[in-house]
Amino acid sequence: AQSVTQPDIHITVSEGASLELRCNYSYGATPYLFWYVQSPGQGLQLLLKYFSGDTLVQGIKGFEAEFKRSQSSFNLRKPSVHWSDAAEYFCAVGLNYGGSQGNLIFGKGTKLSVKP
Amino acid sequence: KAGVTQTPRYLIKTRGQQVTLSCSPISGHRSVSWYQQTPGQGLQFLFEYFSETQRNKGNFPGRFSGRQFSNSRSEMNVSTLELGDSALYLCASSFSQGNHNEQFFGPGTRLTVL
Repeated sequence: AQSVTQPDIHITVSEGASLELRCNYSYGATPYLFWYVQSPGQGLQLLLKYFSGDTLVQGIKGFEAEFKRSQSSFNLRKPSVHWSDAAEYFCAVGLNYGGSQGNLIFGKGTKLSVKP
Repeated sequence: KAGVTQTPRYLIKTRGQQVTLSCSPISGHRSVSWYQQTPGQGLQFLFEYFSETQRNKGNFPGRFSGRQFSNSRSEMNVSTLELGDSALYLCASSFSQGNHNEQFFGPGTRLTVL
C-alpha cells in the first residue's frame, strides 16, 4: 500500500540555521511528490512539487527539495530559516493512475518551531 | 483569481445530527477533493468529484457523502454525527487535465461535534 513517512514529529531550529525535513514514501510507480505548509488554523499551501525531470526542485519562500529514487525520499531543505517559517509541513504523494493524478496521500506532518 | 472558498468556516453540532459543508473551487477547476484532518489520523482523503461524478473514494463509512454541481461547486454531507467526526475538513480543487495537476486547498471548515 502507498504510504508517506515523516520521521520527525517536531523539530526546533534557530533562526538563520539551515533546515532539512525528511520524507520517505512507499509507492510502486513513479510518484508525484509534494510539500505543503500549514499555518495554525489555515489550509495547506503548496511549497513545491516534483513530477519528473530534474530531481532538485525549487519552491516558494526559498525552499527546495531533492527526489532520490534509490532512497525513496523527497527531503525538504532551506539554507536559512526565518521566524515566519514556523508552521507544520506535510509531504504528500499524488497517486498516478495511468498518467492522471489521483488523490494525495499525506505524511503525518513535521511541526517546525523557530528559536530567536 | 479567487482561491478555494469553504463555508462555513466553523460549525458546532451535536451527536446524531447531520451537517453539510460547501466548497467553491477556483474558477475553471473541474476537480474537487475532500480531506479530513484530525490530530490522531492526520490528513485523510475522503473523495474526489470531477464533472459531477465521484471519481475516487477513500476509506470512510457511508455516513460521509458528497456531490458536485454543474458549476463545479461541491458539498459534503455527514449524517448521524459522531464525536470522532470532529475535525478540520479541507477541500481542494485542481484543473485535472493532463498529468500535472496540483491541488489548491481552501482554509477548511472546523467541525466540532458535542
